[in-house]
Amino acid sequence: GENVEQHPSTLSVQEGDSAVIKCTYSDSASNYFPWYKQELGKRPQLIIDIRSNVGEKKDQRIAVTLNKTAKHFSLHITETQPEDSAVYFCAATLNTDKLIFGTGTRLQVFP
Amino acid sequence: EAGVAQSPRYKIIEKRQSVAFWCNPISGHATLYWYQQILGQGPKLLIQFQNNGVVDDSQLPKDRFSAERLKGVDSTLKIQPAKLEDSAVYLCASSPTSVQPYEQYFGPGTRLTVT
Repeated sequence: GENVEQHPSTLSVQEGDSAVIKCTYSDSASNYFPWYKQELGKRPQLIIDIRSNVGEKKDQRIAVTLNKTAKHFSLHITETQPEDSAVYFCAATLNTDKLIFGTGTRLQVFP
Repeated sequence: EAGVAQSPRYKIIEKRQSVAFWCNPISGHATLYWYQQILGQGPKLLIQFQNNGVVDDSQLPKDRFSAERLKGVDSTLKIQPAKLEDSAVYLCASSPTSVQPYEQYFGPGTRLTVT
């Protein structure tokens, strides 16, 4: 079936460094790619999203890039801070509005 | 605006018992989703409603799970009878429409433990 692969599963960085999380999807018709941040015991919260007609989107320290030909997209966090520590999930649409989530990346930012 | 509300927040039951979860979406949101999130995994869609109609329930284990959204607003998800593997967080989400991909707003979830 359709799936979204996410790597790495864990990522540890020093405060101030950059972090990159990568996802690949299988449905070539996917057209919406959100990223969610989930802190321990809390709800997933959207941090950034990108649609298929755009190759890159940036919001302060967070950016997302999309390569539709290769069917992969990435989350870039610059100048990481301890409060960035959380589990990050990528997702891609299936059949226009159904979201398929990746398996998550646990990011730890050490002071 | 008020967010997606869910209750209860936690539930512990024994296997073969029944349990029900309630969700109140953001006012005006036509689309409502129920997800199952097993520890260490991403959310998996169980069922999607557009107003009070089911859009997608292909991943819902219909022999034990049921869901309804009678008046197109609140929704309930029921498990009867529960199995050990049903232990998970059940997340409800809503979005304004499913015509185009829109941000899904998640509720706080109900953590179910089946013993």
